[in-house]
Amino acid sequence: GENVEQHPSTLSVQEGDSAVIKCTYSDSASNYFPWYKQELGKRPQLIIDIRSNVGEKKDQRIAVTLNKTAKHFSLHITETQPEDSAVYFCAASIEGGGSYIPTFGRGTSLIVHP
Amino acid sequence: GAGVSQSPSNKVTEKGKDVELRCDPISGHTALYWYRQSLGQGLEFLIYFQGNSAPDKSGLPSDRFSAERTGGSVSTLTIQRTQQEDSAVYLCASSQDSGLSSYEQYFGPGTRLTVT
Repeated sequence: GENVEQHPSTLSVQEGDSAVIKCTYSDSASNYFPWYKQELGKRPQLIIDIRSNVGEKKDQRIAVTLNKTAKHFSLHITETQPEDSAVYFCAASIEGGGSYIPTFGRGTSLIVHP
Repeated sequence: GAGVSQSPSNKVTEKGKDVELRCDPISGHTALYWYRQSLGQGLEFLIYFQGNSAPDKSGLPSDRFSAERTGGSVSTLTIQRTQQEDSAVYLCASSQDSGLSSYEQYFGPGTRLTVT
């Protein structure tokens, strides 16, 4: 089955710096990679996703890149703000297979210091 | 519209007791998931329901855990003879099965289970 590794487990940055979280996956058939943000005491929410037919996707201060050959994808947050502090989860999955169960990474706790 | 709801929000139970956790998915969502999240840990997949198909129970940690989904909507997760290691937040999520964003999972607020 799929295995997703996520690094780092904790990331501490100063406000205004950039933050990068990296994930690797094992199943070359995976073609959909969502990222979820979970603020303290709240539910995870989708913030951005990418499909295997593109290499990069941006939404304001966040971007995700995908390298299918190397089987890794990354979340980039620029100009970090204290409200970006949260746990971020990456996931890998196969769309269109009739049964959709994403495999999640273990999460990265991002702390943005004002 | 209404999101995914779960009840109770908190549950404290004695070791050995059975508990039932409830999830109300978003109306029209055919897929429903249960996850367990221990303190500071990731999302541990438990079970997946999709339409009328047989559920994928591959994530259930033991035969003390079971889940049902009635009428393709509400789901209950039952833990029998609870143990202290069952203490965690149990999250439910649902997703629709058509459209461009069909695989986005909408999570409920979770049920925090404490076994004493």
